[in-house]
Amino acid sequence: GAGVSQTPSNKVTEKGKYVELRCDPISGHTALYWYRQSLGQGPEFLIYFQGTGAADDSGLPNDRFFAVRPEGSVSTLKIQRTERGDSAVYLCASSSAPGQGELFFGEGSRLTVL
Amino acid sequence: AQSVTQLDSQVPVFEEAPVELRCNYSSSVSVYLFWYVQYPNQGLQLLLKYLSGSTLVESINGFEAEFNKSQTSFHLRKPSVHISDTAEYFCAVTNIGAGSYQLTFGKGTKLSVIP
Repeated sequence: GAGVSQTPSNKVTEKGKYVELRCDPISGHTALYWYRQSLGQGPEFLIYFQGTGAADDSGLPNDRFFAVRPEGSVSTLKIQRTERGDSAVYLCASSSAPGQGELFFGEGSRLTVL
Repeated sequence: AQSVTQLDSQVPVFEEAPVELRCNYSSSVSVYLFWYVQYPNQGLQLLLKYLSGSTLVESINGFEAEFNKSQTSFHLRKPSVHISDTAEYFCAVTNIGAGSYQLTFGKGTKLSVIP
């Protein structure tokens, strides 16, 4: 597709379960970001990939959160032992020129932890 | 560390009236500034940006924003709004030279245009 694709669009899980969220960026974009948006808040940075490597993971809240991008394209955000406070919309964005600030965002994956 | 403050969480305005959405930022270093827009049921889209040069920047749909370094502001304006401008608007900042160019966003302002 032409844009950033995120799956699933909605995920409901129980506290303590493991969750994976997938992001398929725009073809050719080497930069990929994950953000988290809680209700009533702006997006908060989680992690940045340049190619296959995580160049900046300073926004990950704790070691229950992990992300990979093994082939430099699709990325997966993994959340272990989910907590109710993890409920949010997880946004993925990609860019060919991150220094110019133009990020292309997906529609997000809404995670609800019961 | 930088931060962004959007003072108004909701702004209702009548169609064809002017609007200003306020944004102030805090940073210890030079920054790039952005406005992103989120239309209903869509992802965030870049509306306009200030990187350097003229402090007044414009979007293709009639919005403009002015970078004011002394007041650390980047307010968004439009002289006459349309129904289609109804959306949530986010101001964002990134430190110049920051390796990851991660954006710090404000909490957003919901613009509702009333017919």
